Amino acid sequence: EAEVAQSPRYKITEKSQAVAFWCDPISGHATLYWYRQILGQGPELLVQFQDESVVDDSQLPKDRFSAERLKGVDSTLKIQPAELGDSAMYLCASSADRSRGYTFGSGTRLTVV
Amino acid sequence: RKEVEQDPGPFNVPEGATVAFNCTYSNSASQSFFWYRQDCRKEPKLLMSVYSSGNEDGRFTAQLNRASQYISLLIRDSKLSDSATYLCVVTLTGFQKLVFGTGTRLLVSP
Repeated sequence: EAEVAQSPRYKITEKSQAVAFWCDPISGHATLYWYRQILGQGPELLVQFQDESVVDDSQLPKDRFSAERLKGVDSTLKIQPAELGDSAMYLCASSADRSRGYTFGSGTRLTVV
Repeated sequence: RKEVEQDPGPFNVPEGATVAFNCTYSNSASQSFFWYRQDCRKEPKLLMSVYSSGNEDGRFTAQLNRASQYISLLIRDSKLSDSATYLCVVTLTGFQKLVFGTGTRLLVSP
């Protein structure tokens, strides 16, 4: 079964440092999402790509977060500088056929100390 | 008001019990509906899509009521392995943004 690949699985970083996460969606999936999930809450959308274009980044804290998907395939999410409140699970998802649902990667668990 | 609302639970039920979860959504233009299952510290996984006509997958039945804007999930003959958080998800029009509820936690005990 095709998977969404994410790395790293776990990341511990100090406050004010830069951190980056990588996602490789299922081959052929044009839509890619980055979500943040704080413990005990549902995932919240940070950014959505359609191919290489950003179609929704209204909830992305743009002063510190950036995301790119240069060739419309894999994607990188960056935080600089990291803050304590950024500790969460960062999930990437992709979709080809919206009516069939979305596949999530295993996520990157970020701890900011 | 949150776009998707769920009772966070937890719902504590014995093995073999039937349990039902409800979810309400605020945007009447929502297009697609799903239930996802999430195990502790794992990623969400699609459990089933939800249709107005209702759909069943083994012990799981999902129902959508567009007029009242709610979605339900029924689990029959609960198993220990059903213990998880169940996330209600709707997609909005346009570019199909996924909106999640906070999830309902289910604990099935022996």
